[in-house]
Amino acid sequence: DTGVSQDPRHKITKRGQNVTFRCDPISEHNRLYWYRQTLGQGPEFLTYFQNEAQLEKSRLLSDRFSAERPKGSFSTLEIQRTEQGDSAMYLCASSPPRERGAFFGQGTRLTVV
Amino acid sequence: EDQVTQSPEALRLQEGESSSLNCSYTVSGLRGLFWYRQDPGKGPEFLFTLYSAGEEKEKERLKATLTKKESFLHITAPKPEDSATYLCAVQAPGGSQGNLIFGKGTKLSVKP
Repeated sequence: DTGVSQDPRHKITKRGQNVTFRCDPISEHNRLYWYRQTLGQGPEFLTYFQNEAQLEKSRLLSDRFSAERPKGSFSTLEIQRTEQGDSAMYLCASSPPRERGAFFGQGTRLTVV
Repeated sequence: EDQVTQSPEALRLQEGESSSLNCSYTVSGLRGLFWYRQDPGKGPEFLFTLYSAGEEKEKERLKATLTKKESFLHITAPKPEDSATYLCAVQAPGGSQGNLIFGKGTKLSVKP
């Protein structure tokens, strides 16, 4: 499978715990995006990496959220001190140079109890 | 302020009953309009990109069209496997190529 890969697919955590998600983009895609999607809504943009540089961050990305993309390959999204409102599907997407739009992974569903 | 509005929210069709989904947008200087299909519990699957008014793209039973204010996704003779949520998105003004503003989607159900 050469698509965008996300791990884990599902995560249940207790409020206040930290969680980390991983995304492996399509190879040779230098652009990587994180989105969040809640039930009945479309995905909402969180942040964008071009290679290893984080170039855009949404105001939705509070200071409890941090994303990294070391060496411009895989990316991680960490949520510290999780809250029930963080429960959502976290989607990763990637795209090649000079192409608009994005190709999405299957997502990580986070449930905070 | 909603920049992408999709209608209807839900659509039930009989197999073979053709119809259209609507996506209206208010961003100025459109730099791309995107259609995705999303199955329950999965990530969006890319379908089409449209860039300018009058442009049309087709894939199997789906055809996407674009005007200056809206886009339509026409579904011809749908089959039950076409059941999914169809999402429309536009590139955010001033944002990167993958910074997309999505609508809430149209949930399509096709009954045999």
